Amino acid sequence: DTEVTQTPKHLVMGMTNKKSLKCEQHMGHRAMYWYKQKAKKPPELMFVYSYEKLSINESVPSRFSPECPNSSLLNLHLHALQPEDSALYLCASSQEGRGLGYTFGSGTRLTVV
Amino acid sequence: GQQLNQSPQSMFIQEGEDVSMNCTSSSIFNTWLWYKQDPGEGPVLLIALYKAGELTSNGRLTAQFGITRKDSFLNISASIPSDVGIYFCAGPPRGMRFGAGTRLTVKP
Repeated sequence: DTEVTQTPKHLVMGMTNKKSLKCEQHMGHRAMYWYKQKAKKPPELMFVYSYEKLSINESVPSRFSPECPNSSLLNLHLHALQPEDSALYLCASSQEGRGLGYTFGSGTRLTVV
Repeated sequence: GQQLNQSPQSMFIQEGEDVSMNCTSSSIFNTWLWYKQDPGEGPVLLIALYKAGELTSNGRLTAQFGITRKDSFLNISASIPSDVGIYFCAGPPRGMRFGAGTRLTVKP
């Protein structure tokens, strides 16, 4: 299995909703990442987990809450989002160390209404 | 923070032509990664570079890690229509930050 699987592929949520994005990989990668990508922009790093521990938080607002329950799963919990949070949310994984083998999922297209 | 500049922003070329794009940084890098992103998909890693002067090929793609450790080049030879997409360089930490991207259009 050489894939990163993200669910759901599309999500529409209201500003008062609570939802979660899920990411799963079975490549034995011990580093997992969340990125946010707005239209016609590059992916922006949000969070990095290394060996299930949060190692980088790029000053992301607290309405985004990451969770890494085990080495294969990464969640992003969403609460009280704003319309400007609408974007493509990408998950990636890699082996620890030199960043070998970065693999991205296809993303979740999030729309906040 | 570290500045990462990618150019050109976009390119329109004829099928069969060679393509070159580059990234520069304001500080020394230890890692350069090159990705391609197709519409509606996540980026796909093309080439990873870890040593100054390193030249690495992947099919028709060739990338080089500049000797000053502040730049990198990606070349695509004999372009084909499926080369269309956005190409990103990525740098520290450990290749996690992306340049602005080069949007490539290939005309048949």
